[in-house]
Order: sequence, then structure tokens, then C-alpha cells
Amino acid sequence: NAGVTQTPKFRILKIGQSMTLQCTQDMNHNYMYWYRQDPGMGLKLIYYSVGAGITDKGEVPNGYNVSRSTTEDFPLRLELAAPSQTSVYFCASSGQGNTEAFFGQGTRLTVV
Amino acid sequence: RKEVEQDPGPFNVPEGATVAFNCTYSNSASQSFFWYRQDCRKEPKLLMSVYSSGNEDGRFTAQLNRASQYISLLIRDSKLSDSATYLCVVNTLNSGYALNFGKGTSLLVTP
Repeated sequence: NAGVTQTPKFRILKIGQSMTLQCTQDMNHNYMYWYRQDPGMGLKLIYYSVGAGITDKGEVPNGYNVSRSTTEDFPLRLELAAPSQTSVYFCASSGQGNTEAFFGQGTRLTVV
Repeated sequence: RKEVEQDPGPFNVPEGATVAFNCTYSNSASQSFFWYRQDCRKEPKLLMSVYSSGNEDGRFTAQLNRASQYISLLIRDSKLSDSATYLCVVNTLNSGYALNFGKGTSLLVTP
């Protein structure tokens, strides 16, 4: 059982480049989330989705976009990467919303 | 005021010690409460859910006081393997039940 899978694990981007962080889950969860974690800080919500075709902004959405065309996949798109987007990104999913969330292994992104 | 606040830490304790972490949350509509554990450079993983009646899982005991909006985690007989960052987490109906995380409290258990 793979759970939540994120790719890539590491990436270095130049300022102004774009990329997509992939996230897929095989637990048939409706709820999916993208968080970022900066050193010494708690996780902050970027975007979330309560089901296929439905997405909404979290606490820190600027500079990011998401889509949810299937239940399994929830990619995060960075357009025009900036140094402030250097962070560790975690994707998570939850079956019933108010229950345990399962996390992917994270993507370490550096923008230079 | 941050939604979830935790002890600043870090906590350095010897093996076998008992250590307690505290957490407060600001949103009285919070519905679910958790302690997650995060090892260095790894993803957070659920340690235990926290119920109003209090609950225990081996050496770990969690308590919730809804009136005071306070959550605690007690670790007895600390092991070296307990060294990690402990995250206090709450969620509400807002933002699709997204989890709200405290900044975490670092625990280092020493021989």
C-alpha cells in the first residue's frame, strides 16, 4: 500500500522557472492538501480539495495553483518561482476530513 | 494570536524521564485534536488522536480540556527513539478540515 506519493523528492529551480509537484494517493481519499514547511515553523496550508473537481485556497496560496481532475491526483503548480518559495512541500490526504491525515515524504525545493 | 500554540522547547531529558508537552488552541469550533510526530527531515506521522475523556497508548497519554482549549501529551519512561519534534494539531470544518499545526516542540532524549 503506497499511501501518498510525492515526486520529485528534491529540486533546484532558478528564479522565474516553473514546475509541478506531483502528488497521488491510492486510498480513495476525498480530502487532499498541500502544505509548506519553513525551518522552525509549523506547516502552512497552501491549497486544499474536498473532492475531484473542487479546490480552494488555504492560508498561503499566492504563487501557486492546483487542480484535482481525479480523486487520486492533486498536483501543485509553481509559476515564476521566487526565492521565498524555497521550502519543504508536503501533500496529505484524509478519508473523512476530521480524521487522521496521511502525508507524503515531502519535496525539498530550493529556488536560486 | 496563532491558532495553535505550543511550548517553545527544546526539551532535553535523560532516558527514563517523564516529559509533558502543552498546547493551546484559539478556535473554540475546533473539532478534532491530534499529536503528530515529525522526525528530522521526514513527514509528520500521527502519534495519537486526543479525545475529551483522555486517552492512553502505552507510554503516551493525551488529555483535552475543551473549556480551557488546552491539549497535553505526557511521555513516560522516555526512550532514545522518542527524540523527535511533537506537533500539536487541531482541525475545524473550515478549509475542508485542513489540519492546523503548532510550530512543534523538539524533544531530545539522552543516554
